[in-house]
Amino acid sequence: EAGVTQFPSHSVIEKGQTVTLRCDPISGHDNLYWYRRVMGKEIKFLLHFVKESKQDESGMPNNRFLAERTGGTYSTLKVQPAELEDSGVYFCASSRGSGANVLTFGAGSRLTVL
Amino acid sequence: AQSVTQLDSQVPVFEEAPVELRCNYSSSVSVYLFWYVQYPNQGLQLLLKYLSGSTLVKGINGFEAEFNKSQTSFHLRKPSVHISDTAEYFCAVTALNPGGFKTIFGAGTRLFVKA
Repeated sequence: EAGVTQFPSHSVIEKGQTVTLRCDPISGHDNLYWYRRVMGKEIKFLLHFVKESKQDESGMPNNRFLAERTGGTYSTLKVQPAELEDSGVYFCASSRGSGANVLTFGAGSRLTVL
Repeated sequence: AQSVTQLDSQVPVFEEAPVELRCNYSSSVSVYLFWYVQYPNQGLQLLLKYLSGSTLVKGINGFEAEFNKSQTSFHLRKPSVHISDTAEYFCAVTALNPGGFKTIFGAGTRLFVKA
């Protein structure tokens, strides 16, 4: 089966611009997660979708971040307007169920805000 | 809410030597424990997991980990490392939160295996 795909792999934008990251989970995986890793720190939870619904968005930093998963398939994470501190690697993961289910990760989207 | 602490940010070791990567966690509820590995330019891959039962779990590539409930630890070990084990390793804890199950990760440990 195809893995989790993320696009773009790397994005360089200027402060104040908008960026949209996309994640295509494994087909049939209802659970989709976004994580972020900043400057070698921990991989921090952002939010969790179950199908098209936001199950938990407690990790979203502020209202400049908007995540969607229309139709319960792929997901987008938009940052508008981007700030310097938003730089980092954004990981997407998916799983069939939750709880003890293993997360399958994409390779990540590296965002650099100048 | 749960938390994860990986005590070592970098671990250099010679090839064929044993290695232990340390992980401690805290949680007020039962947890599932995982170790993931990330090779350069790749996503995280599962090494092993503890869900229940035997506290010693074996994973891929000769790695194993032991769940110690009293110490709230889940240290990762390998008796003899290879150059190809050079990567970053992440400990992760899944627990039931008000919003459902949530998995959080430690800051990672970079393992450098030297010839």
